[in-house]
Amino acid sequence: DGGITQSPKYLFRKEGQNVTLSCEQNLNHDAMYWYRQDPGQGLRLIYYSQIVNDFQKGDIAEGYSVSREKKESFPLTVTSAQKNPTAFYLCASRDGSYNEQFFGPGTRLTVL
Amino acid sequence: KQEVTQIPAALSVPEGENLVLNCSFTDSAIYNLQWFRQDPGKGLTSLLLIQSSQREQTSGRLNASLDKSSGRSTLYIAASQPGDSATYLCAVRRAGGFKTIFGAGTRLFVKA
Repeated sequence: DGGITQSPKYLFRKEGQNVTLSCEQNLNHDAMYWYRQDPGQGLRLIYYSQIVNDFQKGDIAEGYSVSREKKESFPLTVTSAQKNPTAFYLCASRDGSYNEQFFGPGTRLTVL
Repeated sequence: KQEVTQIPAALSVPEGENLVLNCSFTDSAIYNLQWFRQDPGKGLTSLLLIQSSQREQTSGRLNASLDKSSGRSTLYIAASQPGDSATYLCAVRRAGGFKTIFGAGTRLFVKA
């Protein structure tokens, strides 16, 4: 089955730690995205990548970093510089033909 | 700057009722508009994608319309069922850009 997987489903972080969220897709999509979702709010764009070895900051990139070394993978690192990281993180990819976005199941990050 | 608004924020209806969810956007220069469903604690599931040149799309009991000139889209759900209970989000991709702007969603509860 084609799709997007995210791991872990739940992640707990101590203050001062960096953590990395995994996102893998087997849809052969060039474009991938990371969003953050907070209760009662729409999704906010953290980073996006249009192609391998290229990525751009979104609207709330401070305290986050990404890499895109493979087409299938777009990991997100939440650094200790992110002051309020507790949120639901969603990874997405976009097909190049119809420009439809598809989402993974999400990772819920909680800071202890 | 594109802004996407969804009204109402929450809606409760009895089973079997036909209903309309609204989405408005401020900039009519869009590439496409996508409707999603999100169940609690889950990722987003794509329901319908409307390209800027289209007026509507249908899938089963769902029908989405697009009126760019007025900056509005509606999602019509026919014969609602308890299984339709979820949050529905609309998202607008700006023409000539790679970002997608999301509304905050309408939380729907269908009572049995």
